[in-house]
Amino acid sequence: AQKVTQAQTEISVVEKEDVTLDCVYETRDTTYYLFWYKQPPSGELVFLIRRNSFDEQNEISGRYSWNFQKSTSSFNFTITASQVVDSAVYFCALSEVERDDKIIFGKGTRLHILP
Amino acid sequence: DARVTQTPRHKVTEMGQEVTMRCQPILGHNTVFWYRQTMMQGLELLAYFRNRAPLDDSGMPKDRFSAEMPDATLATLKIQPSEPRDSAVYFCASGPTPRGGSNQPQHFGDGTRLSIL
Repeated sequence: AQKVTQAQTEISVVEKEDVTLDCVYETRDTTYYLFWYKQPPSGELVFLIRRNSFDEQNEISGRYSWNFQKSTSSFNFTITASQVVDSAVYFCALSEVERDDKIIFGKGTRLHILP
Repeated sequence: DARVTQTPRHKVTEMGQEVTMRCQPILGHNTVFWYRQTMMQGLELLAYFRNRAPLDDSGMPKDRFSAEMPDATLATLKIQPSEPRDSAVYFCASGPTPRGGSNQPQHFGDGTRLSIL
């Protein structure tokens, strides 16, 4: 069964600190996709990244970076030099090609960046 | 930028009333998803369509919920009769055919915030 676990329900850090959001997933399929979405206080869901199961290269986009490790079934997200605008709920998600690519979300991590 | 459009953005109504939420997917996207977000359950998949055909609605309470795609530019989610426990934010998302080679993800609308009194 698909499952996405975000063990950290809430994190608070002081601005400019680095913070890592953890995501662990379960799947029996070999072909799948992993996602991160951001939900700011305004409520919309903002796509951040999609990674397929055959691409384990880490990705960096500005202050954001993602570490995909199949050996530990993890897809962690790091924000470097955090800013107050990064305060939001972050969702990790999984979809499997053999399950019509429906996305299953983790429960989310609420991130507070304190000024 | 192309966007998924959901209407209404907010809806407050009394229990027992019919509620219809609408979604206009991004042009060219042939997969449409409906999600519900609550504090307790998080983001749950209710139903999804591909090429307007329902693929899976197992996440949806069948007795009161129904989802349709009358045409490629409109998806609807109806609740009849509505109950207070249906209060949530309902998101629509659309995406291209996943195996079509595109790296595009699902894009979400801004959601309909539903309150049933």
